[in-house]
Amino acid sequence: NAGVTQTPKFQVLKTGQSMTLQCAQDMNHEYMSWYRQDPGMGLRLIHYSVGAGITDQGEVPNGYNVSRSTTEDFPLRLLSAAPSQTSVYFCASSAPGVYEQYFGPGTRLTVT
Amino acid sequence: KNEVEQSPQNLTAQEGEFITINCSYSVGISALHWLQQHPGGGIVSLFMLSSGKKKHGRLIATINIQEKHSSLHITASHPRDSAVYICAVRLNGNKLVFGAGTILRVKS
Repeated sequence: NAGVTQTPKFQVLKTGQSMTLQCAQDMNHEYMSWYRQDPGMGLRLIHYSVGAGITDQGEVPNGYNVSRSTTEDFPLRLLSAAPSQTSVYFCASSAPGVYEQYFGPGTRLTVT
Repeated sequence: KNEVEQSPQNLTAQEGEFITINCSYSVGISALHWLQQHPGGGIVSLFMLSSGKKKHGRLIATINIQEKHSSLHITASHPRDSAVYICAVRLNGNKLVFGAGTILRVKS
């Protein structure tokens, strides 16, 4: 099993550009989440999904969209990048009732 | 005030020392997680506990639900234990709230 994979590992965007961060898992986990990690702060939940076709907002959803068309994939879209979105983004998955979180390796995004 | 507070923020220890990292929370929880983030950035789950104590190798995690407090202990610390240790509480369903992390450096 590859576990949770994220692409790209690094990305630099200009203000106003859009892009999609990819996340995939091969463990058949129903729960998937996107977090951002900023210096001095804990991981913060952006969006999450409890299964294919179902998504919901987390703590800091503004400026981001998600969709969940399959169990495996949970892409995060930045609609119009802003410098405040410079961060490290982590995708995570878990199985219901088990709750142990499996994290992807992260994407380091810089918006100039 | 953050819902999850960790202390200390930074910790430097000599190899072989016993290390304690603390986590306090202010909300009702169903479980608490301890995670480790390596210098390369990857995050791995160490423990998930809702009561009592768990042990894995040199790592021990305890939780006191009444006092809303958990501790992570590392016995016989080693430079390879150098990492960021993160406490997270599970509120309802699958949502987690994270502490800011404790940066641990173990010197040889």
